Amino acid sequence: GESVGLHLPTLSVQEGDNSIINCAYSNSASDYFIWYKQESGKGPQFIIDIRSNMDKRQGQRVTVLLNKTVKHLSLQIAATQPGDSAVYFCAENEGGSNYKLTFGKGTLLTVNP
Amino acid sequence: SQTIHQWPATLVQPVGSPLSLECTVEGTSNPNLYWYRQAAGRGLQLLFYSVGIGQISSEVPQNLSASRPQDRQFILSSKKLLLSDSGFYLCAWSPKDRETQYFGPGTRLLVL
Repeated sequence: GESVGLHLPTLSVQEGDNSIINCAYSNSASDYFIWYKQESGKGPQFIIDIRSNMDKRQGQRVTVLLNKTVKHLSLQIAATQPGDSAVYFCAENEGGSNYKLTFGKGTLLTVNP
Repeated sequence: SQTIHQWPATLVQPVGSPLSLECTVEGTSNPNLYWYRQAAGRGLQLLFYSVGIGQISSEVPQNLSASRPQDRQFILSSKKLLLSDSGFYLCAWSPKDRETQYFGPGTRLLVL
């Protein structure tokens, strides 16, 4: 079936560097995408979302880019901090009135001081 | 503002015992509610979702059931736990007519 996946299971960066976490999706009908951050032992925390009618959306230190041509989603974190260390999940909306999300496997981001 | 609660935070249960996990949402009405399970180092698997009181949809056949006795209360249950039921259980809510889901703190279940 169609699913959301991630290119890199782990990413290690130096504090202050920019981080880029990638996600591939295969459902061309998906029209909503979302990134979550999950710290160890906690529930996922909403970071940023984007609809398919947009290519880019910026938040505080984070930017999400959507390339519908190649079905690719990325999360950019500027000036990465130790507190950014976590697992990051992308998810897509399958459509329909129940608003179910399909989640990728996650990328572990480790920030080295 | 809206908040979502889950309890207990952790639970250790013997195989064959019953289970009841509770989730409640505050600060909103008529939300969509979701139960997920997350195995160690894995992604989130949707177990159940509910669009209203008494309305439950199951995503995967399993040993678990869900109920929604009140608008902002979602319960995950089992009559007899299996070892494979161990995991991190997450409840989430979304506003009606929006896709964004907000997660609770989770319950870590260990079945021995």
